[in-house]
Amino acid sequence: NAGVTQTPKFQVLKTGQSMTLQCAQDMNHNSMYWYRQDPGMGLRLIYYSASEGTTDKGEVPNGYNVSRLNKREFSLRLESAAPSQTSVYFCASRIGQGSHEQYFGPGTRLTVT
Amino acid sequence: QKEVEQDPGPLSVPEGAIVSLNCTYSNSAFQYFMWYRQYSRKGPELLMYTYSSGNKEDGRFTAQVDKSSKYISLFIRDSQPSDSATYLCAMSLGNFNKFYFGSGTKLNVKP
Repeated sequence: NAGVTQTPKFQVLKTGQSMTLQCAQDMNHNSMYWYRQDPGMGLRLIYYSASEGTTDKGEVPNGYNVSRLNKREFSLRLESAAPSQTSVYFCASRIGQGSHEQYFGPGTRLTVT
Repeated sequence: QKEVEQDPGPLSVPEGAIVSLNCTYSNSAFQYFMWYRQYSRKGPELLMYTYSSGNKEDGRFTAQVDKSSKYISLFIRDSQPSDSATYLCAMSLGNFNKFYFGSGTKLNVKP
């Protein structure tokens, strides 16, 4: 039982390049989340998927797109990376209705130059 | 104004001290209050969870919620060097679809 896994662990991009961050969970959870964590800002919600087939914007969605590929996988895409997107990105999952606990992945450290 | 405010610290205490970590919030509709612990270069993990006002105790950890003051606290008794981490408060409305995090307080417990 791996929990929540994220790939890659580290990535350096040049401004304007695109990339997709992958997230998978093996806990049969319904809800999945993408956060970014910046110094002094805490965790900010980018997008979430309350259940398979649905996605919704969070607090800071601009510059990102998401895909809930199936129940296990939730990807985050940067179409044209900007230096302001340099951050640590965390994926999380939650069982679903009525459950408060989120399980987080180990994070992806992204630098955009 | 951010919905959840948290002193970033760092907070440095000697081993065995009682630690108090706090968050304030602005949205009176928050009903669920959580504390996460995050070790360096790791993802956060849930430490404590409280519904509405009141206290909850789990071993050396006590979570308090005062909804009238929009103020929550986490107390750590007999702090240990292994408690050194960043502590994040988080809050949610009733549906749990969205969670709102504080910026985190970095705690260092010195042996």
